[in-house]
Amino acid sequence: AQKVTQAQTEISVVEKEDVTLDCVYETRDTTYYLFWYKQPPSGELVFLIRRNSFDEQNEISGRYSWNFQKSTSSFNFTITASQVVDSAVYFCALIPNNAGNNRKLIWGLGTSLAVNP
Amino acid sequence: NAGVTQTPKFQVLKTGQSMTLQCAQDMNHEYMSWYRQDPGMGLRLIHYSVGAGITDQGEVPNGYNVSRSTTEDFPLRLLSAAPSQTSVYFCASSRFSGNTIYFGEGSWLTVV
Repeated sequence: AQKVTQAQTEISVVEKEDVTLDCVYETRDTTYYLFWYKQPPSGELVFLIRRNSFDEQNEISGRYSWNFQKSTSSFNFTITASQVVDSAVYFCALIPNNAGNNRKLIWGLGTSLAVNP
Repeated sequence: NAGVTQTPKFQVLKTGQSMTLQCAQDMNHEYMSWYRQDPGMGLRLIHYSVGAGITDQGEVPNGYNVSRSTTEDFPLRLLSAAPSQTSVYFCASSRFSGNTIYFGEGSWLTVV
């Protein structure tokens, strides 16, 4: 089965707290791609990061960091020193490289993050 | 850069009406797709195209048609609108398989 699970439906934190959004994926493929997208209240989908299955290096971009662990099939996202502008729904997604799936993006159901002042 | 442009942003339709959601991208991407987003169900793929002249069905294609006459454009047609098609629609494009997928700003459609 090809699946993405974001177990946290909603998270609420106070500004400046660190917060980690969990993402667990399932795929039979050895080659695949993982993504995180942000959907702010205005509704657009904003690309945050793309990772291929052969690159397990953690990534840091400003206050954002990602921890990719193939051993646990997880691709978690941490926001350090959260800000009110981080309030959004965050989606984790997977593209398996199986030709039968023909490049379809498999989405988690999203985690709604509320950062309160 | 325009990226992925979809119109209209908001639309109200009566049951049985037809309409077309327009989507255009200026990044010379081969792969384009349409998703719908509904509460509690995430994003679901409606139709996709891997290049001009080639389209295929996604998870929820019923009630929708697409065509891809050019690399840039990928319109989505609602043939006979139903209240179940009330949703937010996103057009997306990417250069190739596994590459970053870019989304349009979304189209909010209400069918009454």
